[in-house]
Amino acid sequence: AQTVTQSQPEMSVQEAETVTLSCTYDTSESDYYLFWYKQPPSRQMILVIRQEAYKQQNATENRFSVNFQKAAKSFSLKISDSQLGDAAMYFCAYRSGMNYGGATNKLIFGTGTLLAVQP
Amino acid sequence: DTEVTQTPKHLVMGMTNKKSLKCEQHMGHRAMYWYKQKAKKPPELMFVYSYEKLSINESVPSRFSPECPNSSLLNLHLHALQPEDSALYLCASSQAQSYEQYFGPGTRLTVT
Repeated sequence: AQTVTQSQPEMSVQEAETVTLSCTYDTSESDYYLFWYKQPPSRQMILVIRQEAYKQQNATENRFSVNFQKAAKSFSLKISDSQLGDAAMYFCAYRSGMNYGGATNKLIFGTGTLLAVQP
Repeated sequence: DTEVTQTPKHLVMGMTNKKSLKCEQHMGHRAMYWYKQKAKKPPELMFVYSYEKLSINESVPSRFSPECPNSSLLNLHLHALQPEDSALYLCASSQAQSYEQYFGPGTRLTVT
């Protein structure tokens, strides 16, 4: 079974600085997708970035980028030029790319990292 | 339009009440999901509808009853809930069951 681990329950960063959130996963599959979701205090889950396992290039979305290390099964999120609005719970998630249908395509979430941004 | 809407935003109900949560999307997505989320925990999948048919039921108690009247709408009917069912209920949709999911703002449910 696939698992996702976020070892940092809480992180803090100064405004305008850079912070990296860690995520590791375990899978025996070769085809899968990885995601970072952000959940601010308003509680709406927002998709931040996605990475396809078959792509070697790290995904980037404006100030958000990932460091995808497939062999190490690591998928960290880097937030550059942190802003007050980045304060949120961040969830790393895994989804199988195998087309078996049913529960195999469900999102598997990590336990989350609560990010605080200090002014 | 990448919006998933949910109503109501907040709901307080007694253990003998019957209520419904509603989710709507107009992105042409064919898969829709219900999640339950407790405070400071990740969302837990409850149900998945794919092409308006129930695809996944994660062993959810029968006091939760999902319904998908059409491809844009997803309801969750609630009956005889327990206080431990108090949580944030999130709806999500995706283009198909194997694509990324977009979430609604959630309904915060309190069972008294």
